[in-house]
Parts: sequence; structure tokens; C-alpha cells
Amino acid sequence: GAVVSQHPSWVICKSGTSVKIECRSLDFQATTMFWYRQFPKQSLMLMATSNEGSKATYEQGVEKDKFLINHASLTLSTLTVTSAHPEDSSFYICSAIAGGRAGELFFGEGSRLTVL
Amino acid sequence: QKEVEQDPGPLSVPEGAIVSLNCTYSNSAFQYFMWYRQYSRKGPELLMYTYSSGNKEDGRFTAQVDKSSKYISLFIRDSQPSDSATYLCAMSVGAAGNKLTFGGGTRVLVKP
Repeated sequence: GAVVSQHPSWVICKSGTSVKIECRSLDFQATTMFWYRQFPKQSLMLMATSNEGSKATYEQGVEKDKFLINHASLTLSTLTVTSAHPEDSSFYICSAIAGGRAGELFFGEGSRLTVL
Repeated sequence: QKEVEQDPGPLSVPEGAIVSLNCTYSNSAFQYFMWYRQYSRKGPELLMYTYSSGNKEDGRFTAQVDKSSKYISLFIRDSQPSDSATYLCAMSVGAAGNKLTFGGGTRVLVKP
């Protein structure tokens, strides 16, 4: 299957700092990428849909000024958690569409953020 | 009520047994149904993808969709300890570019 890479896989930061997470499609071009958040023992919750060259679409309840998404190329989307707080500690996972079908949605390995 | 319901488990079975997983949903507009496997601290991995009602088989995995009952199932035959993971059902209304709605996941433990 297609490969989606996330970096970093694990990050610890101090409260009030900003953290950037990268999501790359390694062997295909992804016009659409999705960002999910997953708390322990819970399912994935969609945060936003990232479209190459345009503004991201955020789900209800997700602060767009806090979770900045940039999809500047067909292979890279970034999520920046600004002024992170302990409650932002979570597992962030991106996914990308390869081939234009929901069934060809591939996920990255996830990035675990811990805010102290 | 959640849009997609899935028993969180854990579901514990002996090696070689059949693992039976299921999800129910409320949105009759869902047409695409997926099953993902997620190991601890890893991203989900697509196992099965089906469109509308019917069965689909792939190796040890069989997915069933009953749209009239709003019920989907995944069966794992000849289960192995390496099948121990959390299994997530997901579904969407459309295909290309459509976001997925996930179930809460069922944790499965296959004992050797």
C-alpha cells in the first residue's frame, strides 16, 4: 500500500510553546489529507481536512487558530499546535487519499505529543 | 447516541479461534465501509474495504455489510497472537475525498 510518513513520531514540549508535525505522502500525490486526534483508548476524531493550495476545513469545536494546518504541496501537510497546553497532549494522526476512493485512505504512524 | 457504535472489548480468544467483530450505525447514507487494525501507538492499517451491502473475503478476513440492519461485521479465521490489536470500523457517505466516521474500536487479544 501507499506510504504516509509522519514526523516527529514523539515529542515533548513545555506548556506555551508551539509544535509542528509533518505529514508526507512518500510515493503518491495527495491533494487531500486529514488530521485526526486520538486520546487513550478512544477512537480517532477528525480535526480538519487539508486541501493542497487552499485553507483547511475544520470540524466543529476545533480551534483553527490553535491548530494551524498548511498543505503547501501535494506531498506535505503540516499541523502546528500553537501555545500548547497539557490538555493538547494526544496522539495526532494524519491520513492521505491515494487514488480517489475512501478505501484508499492511508494513515501515518502517528505523532505522540506530550505537553508538560 | 454515537453515529457508529462498537463494543470496546476487550475480546479475548484462544489462538486458532474465529474472531467476530461488529459495528452498528445510524446514518443510512453510509455506503462505504472499512475495517482498520491499529497496533498500540501506531497509525491504523486498512484491512478491508467494501461498498454497500454484501460480503468480501481476503485471506483470513471476511467483511459483511447489512445495510438494511445498519450492521457490519469482520471475521478473522485461524486467529494468531499477531492479530492482537484494536480493530476500528469506519464508514463514509461518499468515496473520493470524504471523511470517515470511526467506531470506538474493539481491543482483541489472541492468547497463544
